[in-house]
Amino acid sequence: ERVMTQSPATLSVSPGERATLSCRASQSVSSNLAWYQQKPGQALRLLIYGASTRATGIPARFSGSGSGTEFTLTISSLQSEDFAVYYCQQYNNWPYSFGQGTKLEIK
Amino acid sequence: EVQLVESGGGLVQPGGSLRLSCAASAFTFSSYAMSWVRQAPGKGLEWVSAISASGGTTYYADSVKGRFTISRDNSKNTLYLQMNSLRAEDTAVYYCAKFGSSWSVEDRFDYWGQGTLVTVSS
Repeated sequence: ERVMTQSPATLSVSPGERATLSCRASQSVSSNLAWYQQKPGQALRLLIYGASTRATGIPARFSGSGSGTEFTLTISSLQSEDFAVYYCQQYNNWPYSFGQGTKLEIK
Repeated sequence: EVQLVESGGGLVQPGGSLRLSCAASAFTFSSYAMSWVRQAPGKGLEWVSAISASGGTTYYADSVKGRFTISRDNSKNTLYLQMNSLRAEDTAVYYCAKFGSSWSVEDRFDYWGQGTLVTVSS
């Protein structure tokens, strides 16, 4: 089973600044990596798939990079609506697995 | 717009059963694999089960294998999760999710429902 580890657990950033979230896989997952955003009371939202492809309607300030075991989600200039919990997920091997999440909070 | 609406959650005693439903709309349901993902209170996401577009192939997490059964009715655009022998550790919000590409299970989840809460307690 692929174990996904996200860091940091909590990230405090000021609006307008850049946020960098990391996700590491215990074994290679190729580029089969997605990022999701979770806000209270809302459905989970797909941000990035294929490690670097933005999903439909996702603003350009969100970008993903990496392959194999190391991945990064970057939000270039944080807006108020970006403060949420972010999860990475590998879909390369069953069972598909998620990281434990990174909470992005306002500094 | 794609909609996924879960129902069927509630309070159940340990050892009991529950069936969750997920009503899908605004896409060709029969062309897409579907999945269930859960989230225990205050915790992260855990993939539970998935089913191919035709319903002929199913996948389960080890934690639910032998106790949960995923199924679908393509004529009703509905996904199901039959949960038997429930345990306290099954307490979670259960989300249904749609795979992003038609006919594939090797893919991201592009749409999620709002979830239904299952509480297993005496």
